[in-house]
Amino acid sequence: DGGITQSPKYLFRKEGQNVTLSCEQNLNHDAMYWYRQDPGQGLRLIYYSQIVNDFQKGDIAEGYSVSREKKESFPLTVTSAQKNPTAFYLCASKPAGDTEAFFGQGTRLTVV
Amino acid sequence: GQQVMQIPQYQHVQEGEDFTTYCNSSTTLSNIQWYKQRPGGHPVFLIQLVKSGEVKKQKRLTFQFGEAKKNSSLHITATQTTDVGTYFCADLWLTGKLIFGQGTTLQVKP
Repeated sequence: DGGITQSPKYLFRKEGQNVTLSCEQNLNHDAMYWYRQDPGQGLRLIYYSQIVNDFQKGDIAEGYSVSREKKESFPLTVTSAQKNPTAFYLCASKPAGDTEAFFGQGTRLTVV
Repeated sequence: GQQVMQIPQYQHVQEGEDFTTYCNSSTTLSNIQWYKQRPGGHPVFLIQLVKSGEVKKQKRLTFQFGEAKKNSSLHITATQTTDVGTYFCADLWLTGKLIFGQGTTLQVKP
């Protein structure tokens, strides 16, 4: 079954703890993206990667980190430096060029 | 960074009425993509516009790209309850960066 898998669907963490969100794709896509979605603010880009071992900051990268060691995987770590981490996080991937992006089901992170 | 402004933020219509959402940028857009997110779901690609002045149709949906490539619109004719959701435009840069607008949430009253 091909697609993008984000796990878990719901995640709870205590304030001050780092947490890593998983994103895996078996679509052989080159590019991968992480977005944060808050009510009324649309999708804000955190990080994106066009190729293995390379990634760029998006508009709201502070407090987050990523790695792209494998083409299939693009994990996002929400660090304790992120002031307001509770949000819905969406991962996407796409082939290179003018093509559509495919999204995972999302992870809803709640920090208490 | 470059922003893509989308209006309105919310729209409530009676079933059968038309609906339009607008996407605007202060700079020239490389190309525009449109996505729909159903409540509780994830964004799903609808269409991509690349050429200046381009118009594309999908059944009751009409997508337009402005002549100056600084704005785009999505128009739905005779809305149905299945049209409920949030519609996003997104600017795909040549570098691969994909920037989304704030979205327009459509509610349809039966």
